[in-house]
Amino acid sequence: EVQLLESGGGLVQPGGSLRLSCVASGFTFRTYAMSWVRRAPGKGLEWVSTISGTTYYADSVQGRFTISRDNSKNTLYLQMDSLRADDTAVYYCSPRYDNNWFEYWGQGTLVIVSS
Amino acid sequence: DIQMTQSPSSLSASVGDRVTITCRASQGIRNDLGWYQQKPGKAPKRLIYAGSSLQSGVPSRFSGSGSGTEFTLTISSLQPEDFGTYYCLQHNSYPLTFGGGTKVEIK
Repeated sequence: EVQLLESGGGLVQPGGSLRLSCVASGFTFRTYAMSWVRRAPGKGLEWVSTISGTTYYADSVQGRFTISRDNSKNTLYLQMDSLRADDTAVYYCSPRYDNNWFEYWGQGTLVIVSS
Repeated sequence: DIQMTQSPSSLSASVGDRVTITCRASQGIRNDLGWYQQKPGKAPKRLIYAGSSLQSGVPSRFSGSGSGTEFTLTISSLQPEDFGTYYCLQHNSYPLTFGGGTKVEIK
């Protein structure tokens, strides 16, 4: 059974930093691309970033967020710097195999950027 | 970037009604599209993948169609548990883009 457990969310001031983690189990982590998606309050879903052999970012986070992974720990990360109020959202992780996107999701972790 | 225009943004329908939601892509995306349902406080749930393939475990009243630039999600007979917000997602090219969402309410 695929399981994804996000953590690391919380309250942070504008301009601050936070690192999210996603621990995966139930599949061969190293062979899957991994993504982050977020949903801000009152808004729709937004793709944030994907890591395969290359990293990809939404324009809204390019240069501020860094996606990475540790295959020995089956863990995906999202380093978020220079946080802004509009980064406030629930952040989800999800694996991709071949062209099979977003079949599985974690429960999400809430990030609140506020002074 | 590929824009996904989803309509309507909201709808209210009765149990048993047929409901149709549409997504238009700003350029051709083959069938690289999925449909997702999200309920308050829950993670999204995939309903349809590859434009028209039904996700395992999803009721057969849900169906998807389309290819290229026009896609449709149909609920053949709306049920009380189908409330929530529905999104399309294109994964043909980066940046991946979601439609704006359709909020479905039960009358």
